[in-house]
Amino acid sequence: QKEVEQDPGPLSVPEGAIVSLNCTYSNSAFQYFMWYRQYSRKGPELLMYTYSSGNKEDGRFTAQVDKSSKYISLFIRDSQPSDSATYLCAMTQGAQKLVFGQGTRLTINP
Amino acid sequence: DAGVIQSPRHEVTEMGQEVTLRCKPISGHDYLFWYRQTMMRGLELLIYFNNNVPIDDSGMPEDRFSAKMPNASFSTLKIQPSEPRDSAVYFCASSLPGGTQYFGPGTRLLVL
Repeated sequence: QKEVEQDPGPLSVPEGAIVSLNCTYSNSAFQYFMWYRQYSRKGPELLMYTYSSGNKEDGRFTAQVDKSSKYISLFIRDSQPSDSATYLCAMTQGAQKLVFGQGTRLTINP
Repeated sequence: DAGVIQSPRHEVTEMGQEVTLRCKPISGHDYLFWYRQTMMRGLELLIYFNNNVPIDDSGMPEDRFSAKMPNASFSTLKIQPSEPRDSAVYFCASSLPGGTQYFGPGTRLLVL
């Protein structure tokens, strides 16, 4: 079993929809949680970062962490075609070593 | 800032050949990471360096893979001999201590 599980999708939704992306993890030592966005044929780029249970909001994006359930989510409100990308969750125990989920490929249809 | 620079961007080679991938990290970043991304396995950390010293190479798949960082502005990942199952996108990333990892554009490797 992988340390981080993420449904690879693909996920296709209409423009304006609310998108929910999720990851589960097995290592309770993970303390820091991230979401990266990767456009086609590009490297991943950091989208959101959090280290505590609860919600963190940044514009149309909300990251949610539930450490008791070992479950993290990314919500995208008012989704736009420019949000079409692969979204990867990542987590770490606090050192530099990140463990990534497999990534969910998301398409927002105009 | 130019960001993380990787070369070549694409590489096609035949099984058994030596492949060398190159990376120039962002100036001033102490950490350098090599990752491999495939459809089946996702993004996997191969090795990372701190101040040019390898810290964790537990992700390097086999002895055919080796990585070096001779100075703060250059690193190589070498595969010798290459095999078709090495076909993947290889990313280099760099960061400050405890900071965000910035990824390069990747090298797409195809081993025939």
